[in-house]
Amino acid sequence: AQSVTQLDSHVSVSEGTPVLLRCNYSSSYSPSLFWYVQHPNKGLQLLLKYTSAATLVKGINGFEAEFKKSETSFHLTKPSAHMSDAAEYFCVVSRSGGYNKLIFGAGTRLAVHP
Amino acid sequence: GAGVSQTPSNKVTEKGKYVELRCDPISGHTALYWYRQSLGQGPEFLIYFQGTGAADDSGLPNDRFFAVRPEGSVSTLKIQRTERGDSAVYLCASSSTGENSPLHFGNGTRLTVT
Repeated sequence: AQSVTQLDSHVSVSEGTPVLLRCNYSSSYSPSLFWYVQHPNKGLQLLLKYTSAATLVKGINGFEAEFKKSETSFHLTKPSAHMSDAAEYFCVVSRSGGYNKLIFGAGTRLAVHP
Repeated sequence: GAGVSQTPSNKVTEKGKYVELRCDPISGHTALYWYRQSLGQGPEFLIYFQGTGAADDSGLPNDRFFAVRPEGSVSTLKIQRTERGDSAVYLCASSSTGENSPLHFGNGTRLTVT
């Protein structure tokens, strides 16, 4: 069975400092992993996707994530936070490898302070 | 272009009543998904349509929940005999083909059962 655990429910950073949102996954086979972002009153947006190609995945808005099989982790990072990055972030694993059976983590709320 | 549209954006109903939630997917998208997001949780898969048929309804919690997509476009999620535990944001997403195409999410319908 597949599952994801987001290790922090809330993360607070200052504008211009690095962002680290942590995610561990459990999967009985090679997983497909995603990060989605949800801004207030807006739909979920795909940030990036890992599907067993390069282990370092670059996404939109300067975000990237590294797949580490030995640590079963897929942490999301950004070198320098912007105020507009404040949102809810979800780590997601696919049960099927594709998009149609997504299992979401509980989410991490990112706050960015001036 | 137009994204996934969900109506109403908010719905308040009394316990025991029947509700219908509507989703208009992106034009031409054959795959349509319903997810439910309870407060403080990540979205949970409910049902997946490919065209007019439900390809996977394993996430529907019980027989009070039903969804249709009669013409392969608009979908309606129907909840009978609503309970307070049904209160959540119901998200709809669509994709062009399903398995390997990114999901486009709507803004959701917030259902409150009093």
